[in-house]
Amino acid sequence: TQLLEQSPQFLSIQEGENLTVYCNSSSVFSSLQWYRQEPGEGPVLLVTVVTGGEVKKLKRLTFQFGDARKDSSLHITAAQPGDTGLYLCAGDSGDYKLSFGAGTTVTVRA
Amino acid sequence: GAGVSQSPSNKVTEKGKDVELRCDPISGHTALYWYRQSLGQGLEFLIYFQGNSAPDKSGLPSDRFSAERTGGSVSTLTIQRTQQEDSAVYLCASSPVRGTEQFFGPGTRLTVL
Repeated sequence: TQLLEQSPQFLSIQEGENLTVYCNSSSVFSSLQWYRQEPGEGPVLLVTVVTGGEVKKLKRLTFQFGDARKDSSLHITAAQPGDTGLYLCAGDSGDYKLSFGAGTTVTVRA
Repeated sequence: GAGVSQSPSNKVTEKGKDVELRCDPISGHTALYWYRQSLGQGLEFLIYFQGNSAPDKSGLPSDRFSAERTGGSVSTLTIQRTQQEDSAVYLCASSPVRGTEQFFGPGTRLTVL
């Protein structure tokens, strides 16, 4: 059983469209991280959100941490083919062990 | 600067054989983690090393799995008597201190025939 549930599992969109990926849990996290992983590579950290209700923007990517610190979302505006990849959320319960979701595979078609 | 490196990048072995996977963390990073990533699954925590402290082995799935970290740097993950369900990508990560950003290596893809 995944501690963090990500949805959708797969997402295929046309270049220029918007998309949102969700990460939900029944557990409270001290922080939540979003990673992107490309084939044959390890995950790369995109952002860490710490405060309930926090919103962080990274160019066309907007990350939100739920008020109760149990869920998060990633929104991409005007997606580009370079945004293609596996997006993973990971929750930090206050120790050093991150709990990862199963990931959302995003494909942006040119 | 050099990132986390892992070797081999791919390993194909026969069921029942032992394998060793190597991780070279970023120089100066005191924390080192091993994860396993199976198809369609997220990353599964295996083991954590922090400095000279005893490692947290709570994520190791069976006693066939073991890991060591020599001199606070290079780490080796050993899987004895491999089984087909051990097939996965094994990822190593390091961080400068506990609880900060983890930097991942490219992983070792293990296939057990």
